[in-house]
Amino acid sequence: AQTVTQSQPEMSVQEAETVTLSCTYDTSESDYYLFWYKQPPSRQMILVIRQEAYKQQNATENRFSVNFQKAAKSFSLKISDSQLGDAAMYFCAYLGQGAQKLVFGQGTRLTINP
Amino acid sequence: NAGVMQNPRHLVRRRGQEARLRCSPMKGHSHVYWYRQLPEEGLKFMVYLQKENIIDESGMPKERFSAEFPKEGPSILRIQQVVRGDSAAYFCASSPDRARANYGYTFGSGTRLTVV
Repeated sequence: AQTVTQSQPEMSVQEAETVTLSCTYDTSESDYYLFWYKQPPSRQMILVIRQEAYKQQNATENRFSVNFQKAAKSFSLKISDSQLGDAAMYFCAYLGQGAQKLVFGQGTRLTINP
Repeated sequence: NAGVMQNPRHLVRRRGQEARLRCSPMKGHSHVYWYRQLPEEGLKFMVYLQKENIIDESGMPKERFSAEFPKEGPSILRIQQVVRGDSAAYFCASSPDRARANYGYTFGSGTRLTVV
């Protein structure tokens, strides 16, 4: 079974600085999808960024980018120019090719210090 | 285009009562997924449904839990004889079809169930 591990329960960063959240996963599949979701205090799950495993190019969405290392099974999220509104729980998630259920990590609570 | 709508947002039940959680997927979405989030944990898959069919219920507890997605109306997650351990946030997500689930689901805001 696939597993997703986020080894940082909490992270903090100064406003306007850059922070990287770590995620590793375990799978025997070659094709799959990886996601980062943001969960603010409102509890809404918001899709931040998506990566297709067969694409070597790292995904980027404005201030959010990923470092996808397929061989190492690592999928970290970099947030540049951190803003107060980025404070939230961040979850890494895995979706196998043809599968329909997301496997989530335990989450990282990100605090932004003004 | 309204997002995934879940209600109620908060639900309090006494031990032994029944809880019914509702989910209306996004317009045009016929695939619904239910997840449970225990305090300070990630979401765990419970069940995947299409209209009138349960496709995968491998994450559902064997007893007391059931789900349906009728031809008309919202998807319902039903928990009978609730216990304190059922206290959690329950999320619903939807996608337009099986292939586009790969682009990431759209989640609702969840229902927080508290069992007292």
